[in-house]
Amino acid sequence: DAGVIQSPRHEVTEMGQEVTLRCKPISGHNSLFWYRQTMMRGLELLIYFNNNVPIDDSGMPEDRFSAKMPNASFSTLKIQPSEPRDSAVYFCASSLPPSKTLFYGYTFGSGTRLTVV
Amino acid sequence: AQTVTQSQPEMSVQEAETVTLSCTYDTSESDYYLFWYKQPPSRQMILVIRQEAYKQQNATENRFSVNFQKAAKSFSLKISDSQLGDAAMYFCAYRRRNSGNTPLVFGKGTRLSVIA
Repeated sequence: DAGVIQSPRHEVTEMGQEVTLRCKPISGHNSLFWYRQTMMRGLELLIYFNNNVPIDDSGMPEDRFSAKMPNASFSTLKIQPSEPRDSAVYFCASSLPPSKTLFYGYTFGSGTRLTVV
Repeated sequence: AQTVTQSQPEMSVQEAETVTLSCTYDTSESDYYLFWYKQPPSRQMILVIRQEAYKQQNATENRFSVNFQKAAKSFSLKISDSQLGDAAMYFCAYRRRNSGNTPLVFGKGTRLSVIA
């Protein structure tokens, strides 16, 4: 099992550019979560999907952020246009339904460190 | 909305000693899960221990154990025989129990230093 795979691991971009972060969840997991981690705000939920359907996107900061999950094995988080305050580590995590596992936590990817200059 | 509070931004412990990290949470739910995650400098999020709210027995995983006080909404983590590799950020997290998946709500974290 390769775990949750995120790419790129690091991204440096200029203000105003479009940024796309990618996530491949663990095969068979039906839920996918995007979190953002900053020193000031800690780990914040941006959006999550169940069975490829967005359930709650209330954490998405503004219209510049969008997320998609076109199939069970891939999700993207896009920022357009990017701003310096978007600099953070973005995590993707996936999970089986609680009814199918005794392990009720998530499996996290290694994160993408985004720097907007 | 549920909230998780970790009141200790930083802690330190001597190698081989015991340290306790505090966590309190606020919820109106009666059934939920609680977790401690470890984040070393590699930034990987690693599950340390979990607790189901309906279980009165405190969870234990090797040197890690919790003190779960449901009425007080407290969930502290005890690390025994601390090792240099335990140095990391530790996050307490809450998850509402549901038939489907629900998000984890995290505290702000406690940075643990281990002194040789």
